Amino acid sequence: GDSVTQMEGPVTLSEEAFLTINCTYTATGYPSLFWYVQYPGEGLQLLLKATKADDKGSNKGFEATYRKETTSFHLEKGSVQVSDSAVYFCALWSTGNQFYFGTGTSLTVIP
Amino acid sequence: EPEVTQTPSHQVTQMGQEVILRCVPISNHLYFYWYRQILGQKVEFLVSFYNNEISEKSEIFDDQFSVERPDGSNFTLKIRSTKLEDSAMYFCASRGDRNNSPLHFGNGTRLTVT
Repeated sequence: GDSVTQMEGPVTLSEEAFLTINCTYTATGYPSLFWYVQYPGEGLQLLLKATKADDKGSNKGFEATYRKETTSFHLEKGSVQVSDSAVYFCALWSTGNQFYFGTGTSLTVIP
Repeated sequence: EPEVTQTPSHQVTQMGQEVILRCVPISNHLYFYWYRQILGQKVEFLVSFYNNEISEKSEIFDDQFSVERPDGSNFTLKIRSTKLEDSAMYFCASRGDRNNSPLHFGNGTRLTVT
């Protein structure tokens, strides 16, 4: 069945460091891929998305490229800030009416 | 920007009691969902709802759970007889009818069963 595998956390970085959170997927057909972010005490917010191969989603300095050949959608940011501290979820939507979420990766950015 | 709203933000109940979690999805959305997140764990799909009926449900969504859209705006999740292991954050989400429309989540209801 469809699934998403995300790198385990927690991840701790210093401010201005480079961030990568790995995400790979398994799906039939051509899924759409998403990254959601959950700040402490809040719900999940859409961060970015990509709907077809080679698409790059970007928002707030974060980027992820839909790589069909490696079935990946890794999240990157060139220079993280303390305010980026949150839990990041990779997600997939394929045929049917259901989203599949990864286990989440907790990011803490220290000044 | 329109948003999904959930009430209450925190619900405490005793084991065996019934609870109703309420959600107001974004007004022009057609697909509605409930997810739960046990503390520190992954986001788990419970149920999806479209055209006034359940379209999919997970193994978690057993006979103790039900969903309803009692009017044009609210979408509720009822747990008939709560168990300790029902303690979790429950998230409502909705999405529009275009393919690839993302899910929009509410801020969740923290359910604590004692």
